[in-house]
Amino acid sequence: SQTIHQWPATLVQPVGSPLSLECTVEGTSNPNLYWYRQAAGRGLQLLFYSVGIGQISSEVPQNLSASRPQDRQFILSSKKLLLSDSGFYLCAWVPDRANTEAFFGQGTRLTVV
Amino acid sequence: GDSVTQMEGPVTLSEEAFLTINCTYTATGYPSLFWYVQYPGEGLQLLLKATKADDKGSNKGFEATYRKETTSFHLEKGSVQVSDSAVYFCALSAYNTDKLIFGTGTRLQVFP
Repeated sequence: SQTIHQWPATLVQPVGSPLSLECTVEGTSNPNLYWYRQAAGRGLQLLFYSVGIGQISSEVPQNLSASRPQDRQFILSSKKLLLSDSGFYLCAWVPDRANTEAFFGQGTRLTVV
Repeated sequence: GDSVTQMEGPVTLSEEAFLTINCTYTATGYPSLFWYVQYPGEGLQLLLKATKADDKGSNKGFEATYRKETTSFHLEKGSVQVSDSAVYFCALSAYNTDKLIFGTGTRLQVFP
């Protein structure tokens, strides 16, 4: 069966420090992968998505970047965190056609202090 | 660009009341449409979907019909229960880009 792993669950980082959040999927190949930020009143904001290795589409110009070094691995990064980067980050995957169900990780609560 | 607009919440209802949560979309081409639900303390999960115009998605007593002429996908349930209290998200999958976009979510509170 397919599973998605996202870590860490919580993270407290100082302003200006780097960030790396990792998401991996098991039991499938060539999934579409997504990073979202969930904030009260704004729902799920799509940050990045990827339809294949090395293919990244950015939706919101900001202080974050994403990479997909392997088929089932999706990484969200920042070189220098800002206070405004605080939030709840969710990784999701779907099979290779995005008109089917999306499956979500457990999320990472990031607090920048 | 592609977008989803949902009615703001919270929606507060008594048990057995009729529920409607409005959702409209903007998209090029023919997107697929979804409703996801997030129960308290849990992750998002798919509630129902429709992949083409006039399709009706249904699950757990909830229904939504893909209306291309009004670009809408309103969620309905004839008789809500306390256990339906959750946040409901409307979403679309763009036809030619595989972009998956969500609305802002609508919180439903059902009281006995």
